Amino acid sequence: DAGVTQSPTHLIKTRGQHVTLRCSPISGHKSVSWYQQVLGQGPQFIFQYYEKEERGRGNFPDRFSARQFPNYSSELNVNALLLGDSALYLCASSLAIGAQETQYFGPGTRLLVL
Amino acid sequence: GQNIDQPTEMTATEGAIVQINCTYQTSGFNGLFWYQQHAGEAPTFLSYNVLDGLEEKGRFSSFLSRSKGYSYLLLKELQMKDSASYLCTFNRGSTLGRLYFGRGTQLTVWP
Repeated sequence: DAGVTQSPTHLIKTRGQHVTLRCSPISGHKSVSWYQQVLGQGPQFIFQYYEKEERGRGNFPDRFSARQFPNYSSELNVNALLLGDSALYLCASSLAIGAQETQYFGPGTRLLVL
Repeated sequence: GQNIDQPTEMTATEGAIVQINCTYQTSGFNGLFWYQQHAGEAPTFLSYNVLDGLEEKGRFSSFLSRSKGYSYLLLKELQMKDSASYLCTFNRGSTLGRLYFGRGTQLTVWP
């Protein structure tokens, strides 16, 4: 079975541009979460979507937005890119939202902002 | 707020046993997860503890004490491939879908 997939794997942008990152969850998983991981740090929660609705938002500016599609895939959009947005963006999927639901991570998209 | 503390770096030799400690502070604690992350790769799930006690899974075991806000990951019969970052993370009852991560412990296994 395919795991969580993300595209693109790597991306280089310049300040002020916008970027769209894509994620396909494990088949049957209805929840998708996005995390930002800066080098040397643990992942930081950005968003969670379940059944196409936003269920959680981390402490990120409004430049960050996301959505989930009827097939449960998801997009993360970042506008007006800053140098500090350079990071590994991880997508994680889980069957649902529950106390013991394990999140399974994709390989990530490595974004470099110049 | 939420806080997780774990050592930044640890080293060990092949065949040895290593224990990675994690302490956390939060309200509404639900359960604790451990993930392994090799350099440049995604975190992979290792274990989940919601009740006090030890959970054993092959060479890896994880322990939780809810009253002490403390967990550890025990790795036995270390192999070179165990060199990775180990991430301690928890979720809270009010925000189940959100994982709170520490900075991770970089483990280096020497031959």
